[in-house]
Amino acid sequence: QLVLTQSPSASASLGASVKLTCTLSSGHSSYVIAWHQQQPEKGPRYLMKVNSDGSHIRGDGIPDRFSGSSSGAERYLTISSLRSEDEADYYCQTWGTGIGVFGGGTKLTVL
Amino acid sequence: EAQLVESGGGLVKPGGSLKLSCAASGFSFSTSGMNWVRQAPGKGLQWVSSISSSSTYIYYADSVKGRFTLSRDNAKRSVHLQMNNLSAEDTAVYYCARATAMVMDAFDIWGQGTVVTVSS
Repeated sequence: QLVLTQSPSASASLGASVKLTCTLSSGHSSYVIAWHQQQPEKGPRYLMKVNSDGSHIRGDGIPDRFSGSSSGAERYLTISSLRSEDEADYYCQTWGTGIGVFGGGTKLTVL
Repeated sequence: EAQLVESGGGLVKPGGSLKLSCAASGFSFSTSGMNWVRQAPGKGLQWVSSISSSSTYIYYADSVKGRFTLSRDNAKRSVHLQMNNLSAEDTAVYYCARATAMVMDAFDIWGQGTVVTVSS
C-alpha cells in the first residue's frame, strides 16, 4: 500500500534552516514525490518535485531557499534562511496507477 | 497566468447532491490531467479523484467511489465533479488541481477552493 509518512510538527528559528522529511512506504522507495506549502487560511501551493536520485525541479517563482533531496525511501524539503512567511503546513504528495496520496502534513513553526 | 477557479460549493443536506466545477485558464488544458483534492476542517489534504487529459482514465478514492463522478470538457476548459449521496464526512474545502502530465503526476496548479458543507 502506497503511504507517505510525515512528522506532525517541526520548528526552527528565523534565519535558520530546517529539513522536513517524507517517508515512502516499503516497496515504493523509487517513487517521485512533490512538496506543497499551505499557509494559514490559504490554498496549497506547489513547491517542487523530488526524484529518487535527489534531483528536484522547483515550481515557477519558488525561491532557491527551498530545495529537495532524497535518501532511500526518504524525501526531504530543506528551507534555508527561514522567514516568518514560511510558517505553514507542508505536504508531500505522490501517485501510482489510479491512486493519489498525500502525507499527513508537517506544521512548521518559525520561532 | 495559469489559473483554476472552482465553483458550485454550498450547504447541502445528508443524502443530497452537488456539482462542483473548475474553470481553467492560462495553460494547455487539453494535455493536462486534472484532479480534485479535499480538506476537511482542521485536517490534511485528501486526494479525491483524477481524470486524464482525454478522459480515458478516471480514478476515485475508495471513500467516494460509486458516489462521485468526474468529467471534463476540453472545449470549455472545465472539469466537473458530480457528488451524490453526500454525508457529513464529505464536508470539506474542495480544491481543483492540475497534474504536470496527462494522467497522474505532481499537482502544480491549485485553485482557491470551494466549500462544501453537508448538514441537516
